[in-house]
This record gives sequence, structure tokens and C-alpha cells, in this order.
Amino acid sequence: EIGLTQSPGTLSLSPGERATLSCRASQSVINKSLAWYQQKRGQAPRLLIYGASSRATGIPDRFSGSGSETDFTLTISRLEPEDFAVYYCQQYGSSPPFTFGPGTKVDIK
Amino acid sequence: EVQLVQSGAEVKKPGESLKISCKGSGYIFNNYWIAWVRQMPGKGLEWMGIIYPGDSDTRYSPSFQGQVTISADKSISTAYVQWSSLKASDTAMYYCAREGRGDYSGHFDYWGQGTLVTVSS
Repeated sequence: EIGLTQSPGTLSLSPGERATLSCRASQSVINKSLAWYQQKRGQAPRLLIYGASSRATGIPDRFSGSGSETDFTLTISRLEPEDFAVYYCQQYGSSPPFTFGPGTKVDIK
Repeated sequence: EVQLVQSGAEVKKPGESLKISCKGSGYIFNNYWIAWVRQMPGKGLEWMGIIYPGDSDTRYSPSFQGQVTISADKSISTAYVQWSSLKASDTAMYYCAREGRGDYSGHFDYWGQGTLVTVSS
């Protein structure tokens, strides 16, 4: 089972700032099989990025993903008020279970 | 429009059984895997297992194998997760989600709204 760690646990930023979130895997994630999800309080998660860098349908281009093997990054270029939420990474490159990271909370400074 | 609509909140006692559902619409239900994801209060997301409604092929996380049963009825485009004997530690929000590649190993492109299960004596 591949373990995922996310850092930082909490990121305190102001609207308009750049957010950089990290996801690290305990072993190489094959074929860049990594996704990022956003979850707002009281809502279901929403897919942002899949395949490490492909934006899901309808996701603004201020969200971008990068990385490979064991190190992945989600970048929000300029935070909008609606972007303050919890972000999870998930790997799906090996056999089940397709684990999630513990999450990074982006909150308003 | 793709939609996954889950059954409503449940309040149960320890030892009781429960089956919650997830109905898909707006796409060919049989052709996409459906996963179940647990979120305990204030915690993160946990991948429980996944089913292919077309032939009921099912994969479980070792953490949930034997603890829950995932099933599907393709005739009514509905997936289920059930417990035979609930514990207080099963208290959580449960989400269903559609796997987006038509393979069991993929990202989740659509999610249900969640079903809150509360187990308390």
C-alpha cells in the first residue's frame, strides 16, 4: 500500500496570494496516477487535477498540478475567496487501496 | 448530466444492520466503476472499495475487507454498501464516487452528496 503525506498541514494565506501544496508518496506512483481534490466544509470532494497535471472539466486555470514519481505539487496561482478549503491528493497507480493523503487546509490569513 | 444521488442520513444502534445506496444517472451506469469513501468526523478520506456494476467485480481495501459488503444492482443503476453489525466506530459520512477512466484504478470524477451514518446507543 502506498502512503501519502501532505504538507503543510495548514496554509494561511490572503486572497490573491499563491498557494503551493505538496504531496509525497512512500514509493513511486506509476504513470503519474495522482489526483487532487478540493473539499469545502459540508460538501463532497471535487476533482481538480488528474494524471498529476490535467485539469478536470470546469476547473479554472489558476489551479495547476505538477510532479512525478514520489513528489507532486498543486499550485493555486492567485487565491480567490472560494478557494479556501481542504485539499487532498490521491494515488491510483498501483493495486488497491488507492489511498488519499491526510489533506492540507488552506485558510484565510 | 452525470449525477450520483445517495440515500438519506441514518441513525442506528450498535449491532444493527444497514444498507445505504447510490443511484447513478446521466451516463451508462454499467460501464464505470463506483467506489465508496469514508470520512470520519473531522478526518480525511479513506478508500473503502470499488465495484464494477456490469459484472459486480469488487475490490476492497484490506482495512474494510470483511467489515462491509459492496454490491450493485445494474437494473436500477444503484450501488450499495452494507454492514451486518454496526459499531460506534462506523459513525461517518460515506460518499460514493464514479471512477473516471472505466477502470478500477482511476480518479473520481463525480461524487455523491454523502450519507451520514450515526451509530449510537
